[in-house]
Amino acid sequence: EDQVTQSPEALRLQEGESSSLNCSYTVSGLRGLFWYRQDPGKGPEFLFTLYSAGEEKEKERLKATLTKKESFLHITAPKPEDSATYLCAVSTSGTYKYIFGTGTRLKVLA
Amino acid sequence: DGGITQSPKYLFRKEGQNVTLSCEQNLNHDAMYWYRQDPGQGLRLIYYSQIVNDFQKGDIAEGYSVSREKKESFPLTVTSAQKNPTAFYLCASTQSGNTEAFFGQGTRLTVV
Repeated sequence: EDQVTQSPEALRLQEGESSSLNCSYTVSGLRGLFWYRQDPGKGPEFLFTLYSAGEEKEKERLKATLTKKESFLHITAPKPEDSATYLCAVSTSGTYKYIFGTGTRLKVLA
Repeated sequence: DGGITQSPKYLFRKEGQNVTLSCEQNLNHDAMYWYRQDPGQGLRLIYYSQIVNDFQKGDIAEGYSVSREKKESFPLTVTSAQKNPTAFYLCASTQSGNTEAFFGQGTRLTVV
């Protein structure tokens, strides 16, 4: 069965303390891996798409990487405004369905 | 600006009532989705539609119904058969099955 697992469930960082969020996946025929940010009471906001192992994408303090088994979202020198839930999702061959992980709740303290 | 509009933002339902959640997109996307989000459970797929006049059940379709009569619109009806409808409902659209999803701002449904 296709599965996406995110860790940790929750993470508290001091402002400026870099860290990484993990998204591991077990799917047949990965087509794409997607990262989203979700603020409380809002819809998820798209961050990155990764299509092949070795691919990297960057945006401000965020950098996403992909291997054949997992993806990392690296957060460098985070600020309090980076506090949110970060969701990972995958798309697979032969279907329009996306499989989401349960997310990592990030809290950055000033 | 292109995007997805969900309405209403908050909805209250009495026991035994059917309610319909609206989702409209002006992104010219072919595929549309409905997800349910409960605390600690991530997004669970209710229904999705790849094209007008066609839709498929997701993982938790029981107690829900949809229609796709227009490309821009994908309303979700929560029927009285749904035993635990209180949740945050999210609508999304994608250009294809392999591109990023754009989400609406959600509808919070509460049974009173």
